[in-house]
Amino acid sequence: QKEVEQDPGPLSVPEGAIVSLNCTYSNSAFQYFMWYRQYSRKGPELLMYTYSSGNKEDGRFTAQVDKSSKYISLFIRDSQPSDSATYLCAMSASSNTGKLIFGQGTTLQVKP
Amino acid sequence: DTGVSQDPRHKITKRGQNVTFRCDPISEHNRLYWYRQTLGQGPEFLTYFQNEAQLEKSRLLSDRFSAERPKGSFSTLEIQRTEQGDSAMYLCASSTGGDTQYFGPGTRLTVL
Repeated sequence: QKEVEQDPGPLSVPEGAIVSLNCTYSNSAFQYFMWYRQYSRKGPELLMYTYSSGNKEDGRFTAQVDKSSKYISLFIRDSQPSDSATYLCAMSASSNTGKLIFGQGTTLQVKP
Repeated sequence: DTGVSQDPRHKITKRGQNVTFRCDPISEHNRLYWYRQTLGQGPEFLTYFQNEAQLEKSRLLSDRFSAERPKGSFSTLEIQRTEQGDSAMYLCASSTGGDTQYFGPGTRLTVL
């Protein structure tokens, strides 16, 4: 079983929809949680960074962490065709370690 | 452009050949990471450096793989005697510590 599970999709939504992307994890030591966006054949781009539990909002993006359930979410409001990409969750146990553990990634398509 | 850069962007080689990739991190980032990403999967950690010291290596990094960061600035990743299973995107990331890692565009390796 992988440490981080993420539904690969694909997820297809109409423009303007609210998108919900999720990851579950098994390692209770994880404290730092990230969401990256990756366009085809490009490197991952950092979208959101959250420490421990709680919510964080940045523009149309909201990240939620529920450590008690070992579950993290990314919400995208008013989705745009330019949001079409693969979304990767990543996490680590300590700011002193270098290793990020990634989910498989969810492919999102926003249709005009 | 002051982001992470990688060279080459694409490499096609024949099985058994050696290849070397270069990564230039964001200026003044003391941490540098290498990941490997295969199609449809999230990045997998290979190794990381703090300045010139290689602090952690994954079991994925077989004896055929070697990474260096001789002066604490750029890094190289060499794969000796390439195999078809080495075909992947090799990603480099850098940070100033903590877990906010910024990724480069990647080097796509194809082993024929």
